[in-house]
Amino acid sequence: GQQLNQSPQSMFIQEGEDVSMNCTSSSIFNTWLWYKQEPGEGPVLLIALYKAGELTSNGRLTAQFGITRKDSFLNISASIPSDVGIYFCAGQPLTQGGSEKLVFGKGMKLTVNP
Amino acid sequence: SQTIHQWPATLVQPVGSPLSLECTVEGTSNPNLYWYRQAAGRGLQLLFYSVGIGQISSEVPQNLSASRPQDRQFILSSKKLLLSDSGFYLCAWKREAFFGQGTRLTVV
Repeated sequence: GQQLNQSPQSMFIQEGEDVSMNCTSSSIFNTWLWYKQEPGEGPVLLIALYKAGELTSNGRLTAQFGITRKDSFLNISASIPSDVGIYFCAGQPLTQGGSEKLVFGKGMKLTVNP
Repeated sequence: SQTIHQWPATLVQPVGSPLSLECTVEGTSNPNLYWYRQAAGRGLQLLFYSVGIGQISSEVPQNLSASRPQDRQFILSSKKLLLSDSGFYLCAWKREAFFGQGTRLTVV
């Protein structure tokens, strides 16, 4: 089946540093989504991207839908301790019919040292 | 506004016992609904999805089943739980996968 390669798998940073993570696919996606999950809770949608080249911000978070439609990145600027969690990318492959199923990356665990 | 409810939050069940997890969505109609399982805090695996009442598609062969008896209700079931069914189960709705709070299932 289709897979997303999400990297890095984990990051340890100091408060105030910027963070960058990305996802790549071997096939074309028509939607890219980024989520954050905290322990014991469901993932929360951070940013949704629907068009190739689209660049969207949500506070200190910025994400882009790659021009090739096979990748996306998420940046977090000026990290704070509450940014700690697991960040997932997800994408909707081009051919899905009516189900609108998503493919998820394996997640990136972020640790922020105060 | 739309909300998704999932319960219970945690569940400990013996091997061989039945399972029923319920998910309901409010504030929308005819949503696409999904059941995911997450193991060890990583990797969401799609188990089932439904585009309408009585319409269930299974993604992976397993010991679980799903049903959609009402437009905004999605149920995950098992007749006999296995140890390998332990995990964090998440219900989601809509294309952008808005998730419920999840159920932590431990089979002992």
